[in-house]
Amino acid sequence: NAGVTQTPKFRVLKTGQSMTLLCAQDMNHEYMYWYRQDPGMGLRLIHYSVGEGTTAKGEVPDGYNVSRLKKQNFLLGLESAAPSQTSVYFCASSYRSAEYNEQFFGPGTRLTVL
Amino acid sequence: KNEVEQSPQNLTAQEGEFITINCSYSVGISALHWLQQHPGGGIVSLFMLSSGKKKHGRLIATINIQEKHSSLHITASHPRDSAVYICAAPPLYSGGGADGLTFGKGTHLIIQP
Repeated sequence: NAGVTQTPKFRVLKTGQSMTLLCAQDMNHEYMYWYRQDPGMGLRLIHYSVGEGTTAKGEVPDGYNVSRLKKQNFLLGLESAAPSQTSVYFCASSYRSAEYNEQFFGPGTRLTVL
Repeated sequence: KNEVEQSPQNLTAQEGEFITINCSYSVGISALHWLQQHPGGGIVSLFMLSSGKKKHGRLIATINIQEKHSSLHITASHPRDSAVYICAAPPLYSGGGADGLTFGKGTHLIIQP
């Protein structure tokens, strides 16, 4: 049981490049989330999904796109990376809504945009 | 959007001391989350509570829903408790379409031997 895994763990991009972060969970959770963590700020919600084929915007969605084609995977895409997107990205999943369910986090992806 | 405030931001204590971390939020909720972020960066859920008190080992979490306030206590603190402790609140109404958590900025705890 791997829990929540994230790929890659580290990445350096140049401004304007694109990339996709992959999150995978093996707990059959319905809900999945992408957060970013920046120094001096709490984690902030980028996008989330309440089930396969669904996505919704969170607090800071601009510059990101997501897809949930399979229940176990949640992809976060950066089409044209900007230095402001330098951050640590965490994926999380929960059985149902965060209102009543524990969230399980991946190990994080450290992204630097030059 | 729920505003979540934690105090203190930083806390250094000696091994064995009783630790208290506070969390307040602006909008009434059904449950509050407490999480721990290890020095290596990993985040784990400690508690989710909607009323009263929960205990796990040396960790105790309490919540007062009416006062919109929660506390995390650590008894007999140990250097391995050194971490960032984060409280987080869900949207008031998940059925309204919003989900996910709103996080406090965290309390950076260092326990010195």
